[in-house]
Amino acid sequence: DTGVSQDPRHKITKRGQNVTFRCDPISEHNRLYWYRQTLGQGPEFLTYFQNEAQLEKSRLLSDRFSAERPKGSFSTLEIQRTEQGDSAMYLCASSLDLEHEQYFGPGTRLTVT
Amino acid sequence: AQSVTQLGSHVSVSEGALVLLRCNYSSSVPPYLFWYVQYPNQGLQLLLKYTSAATLVKGINGFEAEFKKSETSFHLTKPSAHMSDAAEYFCAVTEKGAGSYQLTFGKGTKLSVIP
Repeated sequence: DTGVSQDPRHKITKRGQNVTFRCDPISEHNRLYWYRQTLGQGPEFLTYFQNEAQLEKSRLLSDRFSAERPKGSFSTLEIQRTEQGDSAMYLCASSLDLEHEQYFGPGTRLTVT
Repeated sequence: AQSVTQLGSHVSVSEGALVLLRCNYSSSVPPYLFWYVQYPNQGLQLLLKYTSAATLVKGINGFEAEFKKSETSFHLTKPSAHMSDAAEYFCAVTEKGAGSYQLTFGKGTKLSVIP
């Protein structure tokens, strides 16, 4: 069990650029979650997948944000036309069906200049 | 709708002293409750969880929490603080039967341990 991994760990980008983050969940976990954490706040739920189906995406912050999990394994989170307000830590978590315990990855810290 | 309030954004204790971090929740249905710890520039690690079994829950690193329905509270305690406990602690709630089991977090409490 290698845990949840995220790549990259840090990303610095200029305003207006697109960025994509990757999350690899624990191998047998079929649920995958994305959260955003800004400075001084707790993580905020963005979206989640059960296998390859994205079952909740109304909490994505704007239409510039999108997520995929094409084969029910790894997931990507894309932010288009980044803004300075997008600077945050993006966390991925995974869990098993019918389990309530989510395991978090180390996060990707995004800085938009 | 569910929500979490953590009283005190910053708590300082002396090494060896009692740790008490407060968490109150709001939920329209019976909740599942969690405490996570976050070290600088790292993800969240689960300390303990309440899922409607025993109301006193024991977790890792000597932490425990008690679910009190009448007070809508789930405070985290540890009898004797250690330097390695210095970190940020987050209380979180999700609702039974919620489907997604998405977590709603409090704003966190940063714990400092004074030698």
